[in-house]
Amino acid sequence: SQTIHQWPATLVQPVGSPLSLECTVEGTSNPNLYWYRQAAGRGLQLLFYSVGIGQISSEVPQNLSASRPQDRQFILSSKKLLLSDSGFYLCAWSVNSPLHFGNGTRLTVT
Amino acid sequence: KQEVTQIPAALSVPEGENLVLNCSFTDSAIYNLQWFRQDPGKGLTSLLLIQSSQREQTSGRLNASLDKSSGRSTLYIAASQPGDSATYLCAVNYTGRRALTFGSGTRLQVQP
Repeated sequence: SQTIHQWPATLVQPVGSPLSLECTVEGTSNPNLYWYRQAAGRGLQLLFYSVGIGQISSEVPQNLSASRPQDRQFILSSKKLLLSDSGFYLCAWSVNSPLHFGNGTRLTVT
Repeated sequence: KQEVTQIPAALSVPEGENLVLNCSFTDSAIYNLQWFRQDPGKGLTSLLLIQSSQREQTSGRLNASLDKSSGRSTLYIAASQPGDSATYLCAVNYTGRRALTFGSGTRLQVQP
């Protein structure tokens, strides 16, 4: 069966520090991969999606970036975090449909 | 603009009630619509997926309907239980878009 792993579960980082969140999927090949952010009291905002290795599409311009170095690995990064980057970050995968989510990373930027 | 709206934002009901959560979308050109459940501090769990050619899907006490022409979907929960307390999100896969568009969710509280 397919599983998705996201880590860390929680993270507290100071403003200006770098960020790296990792997501891996097991049990499937060539999935579409997604990074979403959920801010307090708001809906899910799509940040990035990828249809294959090295292929990244950005939905919202910001100081975040994403990379897909392997078929089932998706990384969300930032060189310098802002206070506004605080939120709940969710990785998801799909092969056609439906969409399956990881357990999320709670990021607090202080 | 392709949007998804969920009403109400929050709902509190006594245990045992049947309830309906509403989702509306602005463009009828969709591939499918998906309902999710999110517990506090957790990721999203897929509940039901309705393809654009379908009218409804059922899983246990849950029934989701889809009316593309009116841009509406409902999630019906029968005989609600305290364990159903969570936020329920509706997401639409619009034609021409690679990712789902989410509503803001309905936060459900079932009182024992």
